[in-house]
Amino acid sequence: RKEVEQDPGPFNVPEGATVAFNCTYSNSASQSFFWYRQDCRKEPKLLMSVYSSGNEDGRFTAQLNRASQYISLLIRDSKLSDSATYLCVVNWNDMRFGAGTRLTVKP
Amino acid sequence: NAGVTQTPKFQVLKTGQSMTLQCAQDMNHEYMSWYRQDPGMGLRLIHYSVGAGITDQGEVPNGYNVSRSTTEDFPLRLLSAAPSQTSVYFCASRLGDANEQFFGPGTRLTVL
Repeated sequence: RKEVEQDPGPFNVPEGATVAFNCTYSNSASQSFFWYRQDCRKEPKLLMSVYSSGNEDGRFTAQLNRASQYISLLIRDSKLSDSATYLCVVNWNDMRFGAGTRLTVKP
Repeated sequence: NAGVTQTPKFQVLKTGQSMTLQCAQDMNHEYMSWYRQDPGMGLRLIHYSVGAGITDQGEVPNGYNVSRSTTEDFPLRLLSAAPSQTSVYFCASRLGDANEQFFGPGTRLTVL
């Protein structure tokens, strides 16, 4: 089993749609959690941290379920500029990355 | 601040050649890491360092060496390049264990 698993997609959605990404991790000792965004042929950049109580940043909502070892990212009112690959990241000993979920938002 | 810088941006090597990928950061970050990114595999950790003079192996360390003589620099050495090392290499740094990680722009390496 991979340490951090994501649905690879691709997700193709129309503008304005709501889309959700899921991520599971294998190590129950993981201490911190993140979502990163990576544009084509660019470096990953932090989108948001994920807190135990869940957190929201504008159109983006992240949830953490420690019991199920599960993280999610919800994007509301999708924009064309949201098209990217979204990486789930879990920290134990060092940052462990999922393979990413590719999102394409179409007009 | 320049952030995290990497050189070169592109490199082509022949099998058996050696080279060093350079990485530097000017944010006084203690943690630095090297990743490789291959299609469908995500980023895999090669080596990391929690401070000057301290390095450790990640998931895929074979064929690579690192050193951390200063806080700013964290070079990655390929000892004898192999086609399986064709990849995009990212260097990253962060202030502390659970902080945001900043990435360099990447080095695209092809080994023929």
